[in-house]
Amino acid sequence: KNEVEQSPQNLTAQEGEFITINCSYSVGISALHWLQQHPGGGIVSLFMLSSGKKKHGRLIATINIQEKHSSLHITASHPRDSAVYICAAANYGGSQGNLIFGKGTKLSVKP
Amino acid sequence: DAGITQSPRHKVTETGTPVTLRCHQTENHRYMYWYRQDPGHGLRLIHYSYGVKDTDKGEVSDGYSVSRSKTEDFLLTLESATSSQTSVYFCAITDRSLSGNTIYFGEGSWLTVV
Repeated sequence: KNEVEQSPQNLTAQEGEFITINCSYSVGISALHWLQQHPGGGIVSLFMLSSGKKKHGRLIATINIQEKHSSLHITASHPRDSAVYICAAANYGGSQGNLIFGKGTKLSVKP
Repeated sequence: DAGITQSPRHKVTETGTPVTLRCHQTENHRYMYWYRQDPGHGLRLIHYSYGVKDTDKGEVSDGYSVSRSKTEDFLLTLESATSSQTSVYFCAITDRSLSGNTIYFGEGSWLTVV
């Protein structure tokens, strides 16, 4: 079983829809990252969460530490939101500071 | 922007040849990482470094070596490239500032082994 699971794997939405991507993890974490990867490869960090909720523009990320679950929401989705969204569990204890990545959710927003 | 550049960005090489990918940063971050990304697997850690000359293996380190002789450069070497090493390689750094541990990725290096 993967230590970080994302759902759904693929998601198609119509422009304007509210979108939710889920991430569950089974490891102890210091923080959870949400990343965005557009076609062509570049990966950018959207959020880093250790508790609660963060908002940036139309993107909202939440985390429930007790349930080991995080969600990424996109309000009023737009075709430019089409990308792969990746969650990553981070444990910064010790010298490793590694991240364990989910396999990503491919989002396609149709106009 | 954490000032990370990878080179080369694209490379085609023959089986059995050595290949070195370079990751260069301009921000003096301590932690640097090399990942590979393959369909169905997500990003997987190859090697990481926590300082000059301090490196350690990740989950898919076989066939790879790394070196970090100065803070700004982290080199990944495929000692004898194989077709299974055809992949996209990403360098990353973590910024362990007071505001939190942000991660920054390089643009990626597309490697094809024929």
